[in-house]
Amino acid sequence: SAVISQKPSRDICQRGTSLTIQCQVDSQVTMMFWYRQQPGQSLTLIATANQGSEATYESGFVIDKFPISRPNLTFSTLTVSNMSPEDSSIYLCSVESGGPGRAYGYTFGSGTRLTVV
Amino acid sequence: AQSVTQLGSHVSVSEGALVLLRCNYSSSVPPYLFWYVQYPNQGLQLLLKYTSAATLVKGINGFEAEFKKSETSFHLTKPSAHMSDAAEYFCAVSGTSSASKIIFGSGTRLSIRP
Repeated sequence: SAVISQKPSRDICQRGTSLTIQCQVDSQVTMMFWYRQQPGQSLTLIATANQGSEATYESGFVIDKFPISRPNLTFSTLTVSNMSPEDSSIYLCSVESGGPGRAYGYTFGSGTRLTVV
Repeated sequence: AQSVTQLGSHVSVSEGALVLLRCNYSSSVPPYLFWYVQYPNQGLQLLLKYTSAATLVKGINGFEAEFKKSETSFHLTKPSAHMSDAAEYFCAVSGTSSASKIIFGSGTRLSIRP
């Protein structure tokens, strides 16, 4: 399965600033997924990033707040913009494991633990 | 629509005891089912998956799960708990098409008592 490198692993940011999270995959993948895990909660899908097209956002998430780039088949970034303490979460990127199709499951990055003060 | 319910946000067992983490799903189409583990300060790791082959699925670290369609369940078990099993466990469901999204349960924190 794919190996994902995600950085930064953690950061403490001032409210009103922005943070860009990077996700690098060791193989080419069609879709990359960004999740948010709020403290003590499960994972919520933010958006799906396809190379060469606009990301598809889930209900409750908008591009102005969480702009995503997908410049090639191995890399994506998620920016958390104009941060507030409510944005304090773990952010994870993910790709389908071993090939297209849900049968393989997903591989996850190690996550970015964001604290907004 | 699909959903997953994990019964018990926190389960505590003694070292060497049976581990049972419960997961019930709802799906209007034949599902794929997954169990993931998250160790402290780490991402998620796939433990095992059900993809319509054998109903008893064996995963890593001695875990296994049984798909029971009649009970819409996919409970995770391990015969003998180790201290290293302490982690958060997530059950997840998806459809089988490429357009399906994966939906995660709320998670169960497993604690192991010495």
